[in-house]
Amino acid sequence: NAGVTQTPKFRVLKTGQSMTLLCAQDMNHEYMYWYRQDPGMGLRLIHYSVGEGTTAKGEVPDGYNVSRLKKQNFLLGLESAAPSQTSVYFCASNERATPNEKLFFGSGTQLSVL
Amino acid sequence: GQSLEQPSEVTAVEGAIVQINCTYQTSGFYGLSWYQQHDGGAPTFLSYNALDGLEETGRFSSFLSRSDSYGYLLLQELQMKDSASYFCAVTLIPSGAGSYQLTFGKGTKLSVIP
Repeated sequence: NAGVTQTPKFRVLKTGQSMTLLCAQDMNHEYMYWYRQDPGMGLRLIHYSVGEGTTAKGEVPDGYNVSRLKKQNFLLGLESAAPSQTSVYFCASNERATPNEKLFFGSGTQLSVL
Repeated sequence: GQSLEQPSEVTAVEGAIVQINCTYQTSGFYGLSWYQQHDGGAPTFLSYNALDGLEETGRFSSFLSRSDSYGYLLLQELQMKDSASYFCAVTLIPSGAGSYQLTFGKGTKLSVIP
């Protein structure tokens, strides 16, 4: 059982380049999230999805777009990368919209924008 | 806005007990969670408190006081493998049709020394 899988694990971009991060979960979870983690900043929510075909903005959505065409996949796109987007990106999912529903995280993507 | 405060670093001796505090200022508070993250790893769920009091899970316990907007994570019989970052996170009541969202603190780096 793979859980939450993120690809790629590492990526280096030049300013202005675009890329897509893929998150896949095999737990049939309804809810999926993208977080970024910067040193000393904790985890900040970028975008999330409450089901297939839905997306919503989180705390820091600017410069990112997302899509949830299939229930098991949640894609995070950077259309024109900036050095401020250098970060570690984590995808997470959970099954139900209950407050005590724990998040399952992927292993992260280290992105550097030069 | 939301704010969570936790110490940035804590050092404790193997076999001892350590308490990591978390104070929060939020609107629409529903519960407090704790996550553990080893260096280079993904966050993993430890505990959740919605009601005042102590929740115990093995060597780890978590406490919540809603009236004081305060919680803590207690780690007993510390082991070297407990060296990690620990994040508190508040669950907020969703607005509209959104999902319950987590807002994370900046994390406490725990170092366990022999």
